[in-house]
Amino acid sequence: DAGVTQSPTHLIKTRGQQVTLRCSPKSGHDTVSWYQQALGQGPQFIFQYYEEEERQRGNFPDRFSGHQFPNYSSELNVNALLLGDSALYLCASSLAAVSGNTIYFGEGSWLTVV
Amino acid sequence: SQQGEEDPQALSIQEGENATMNCSYKTSINNLQWYRQNSGRGLVHLILIRSNEREKHSGRLRVTLDTSKKSSSLLITASRAADTASYFCATDLRFTGNQFYFGTGTSLTVIP
Repeated sequence: DAGVTQSPTHLIKTRGQQVTLRCSPKSGHDTVSWYQQALGQGPQFIFQYYEEEERQRGNFPDRFSGHQFPNYSSELNVNALLLGDSALYLCASSLAAVSGNTIYFGEGSWLTVV
Repeated sequence: SQQGEEDPQALSIQEGENATMNCSYKTSINNLQWYRQNSGRGLVHLILIRSNEREKHSGRLRVTLDTSKKSSSLLITASRAADTASYFCATDLRFTGNQFYFGTGTSLTVIP
């Protein structure tokens, strides 16, 4: 049973560029959340997708956008990259956007903006 | 801002000893989960405790929750070198539908 898979694992982008990160949820899960984790910090909630719609959003600017596909996989897009966007981006999946369900994380995508 | 805060920020113990880390949070929660993160890797789920529960066990892990004090503790008994990692608590606030808030974590080092 495959867990949450993310790609790419590492990437380097230049300030001002755009990046797309991908996530496939754990088998049977339909809800995907994205988190940003800066070095030495805890993960911060970016947004959550359920039924192909953004259901909740954290305190992140509109440069951060996402999408969920009919097969429940998801993408995170970040436009006009800033140096401060350098972080580990974590995807988490769960069954339904219901409180109390365990969320499972992928290994993350390391983004470095230079 | 972070909803949860772990204490201590760093902890170093000898193999075989017990490790205790604490988490405090600010507002009412539905449940609280503990996660482990090895350096630069993803988060591994350890245990979930609901707001109406006071204590849960899983193997060498024991978690307590005190909603009146808005705090939780994670106890790892008979620690092993492989337990070396960062530990985070994540709170699921009421009415947020599975949106989690993480603290800054406790960095645990277990010395063989």
